[in-house]
Amino acid sequence: AQSVSQHNHHVILSEAASLELGCNYSYGGTVNLFWYVQYPGQHLQLLLKYFSGDPLVKGIKGFEAEFIKSKFSFNLRKPSVQWSDTAEYFCAVQGNNRLAFGKGNQVVVIP
Amino acid sequence: DAGVIQSPRHEVTEMGQEVTLRCKPISGHNSLFWYRQTMMRGLELLIYFNNNVPIDDSGMPEDRFSAKMPNASFSTLKIQPSEPRDSAVYFCASRGGLAGSYNEQFFGPGTRLTVL
Repeated sequence: AQSVSQHNHHVILSEAASLELGCNYSYGGTVNLFWYVQYPGQHLQLLLKYFSGDPLVKGIKGFEAEFIKSKFSFNLRKPSVQWSDTAEYFCAVQGNNRLAFGKGNQVVVIP
Repeated sequence: DAGVIQSPRHEVTEMGQEVTLRCKPISGHNSLFWYRQTMMRGLELLIYFNNNVPIDDSGMPEDRFSAKMPNASFSTLKIQPSEPRDSAVYFCASRGGLAGSYNEQFFGPGTRLTVL
């Protein structure tokens, strides 16, 4: 079964700062990769996904992620965060029809 | 589309009581997933159905948990008897396409369960 690691569970930064969240996975087969976001009190929403093709994926709200196969990584980035980006971010890896989530990154953006 | 619908949104019950959580997937989606979210363990897949048939229930913690999907538009997750350690947010998600589809899962708002 696949597993997902997300580091730096709590991230605090100021508006306009750049954000990068790491995601590493372990799985021997072909994977599909996702980043979900959970705003306070809300359900999970898809930010972006990678299935094949260009390893640099652009999602909603200015987020992007890069799949580096050799490093088993799918890091999420945003060049300039806003207060409204305060949320919990989950990396997820789908392999063998199962979706495994990381523990999440709690991101707090200070105005 | 209303999205994935879950009820109740909040449930407070006493230890030993039966709890039933409900989910209505997005119309046309043929895969349905139940997850549990806790601070300690994060998001865990409990069980998923494809075309109303349970495919993988290896995440169901123990026999106190059971899930059914009697038709394409409704699923239940039942805990009997409930225990305080079952307190968590339970999410339902649905996905369209074939089994193993590359489509993403759409999540419901969750049910926050508190067992006293």
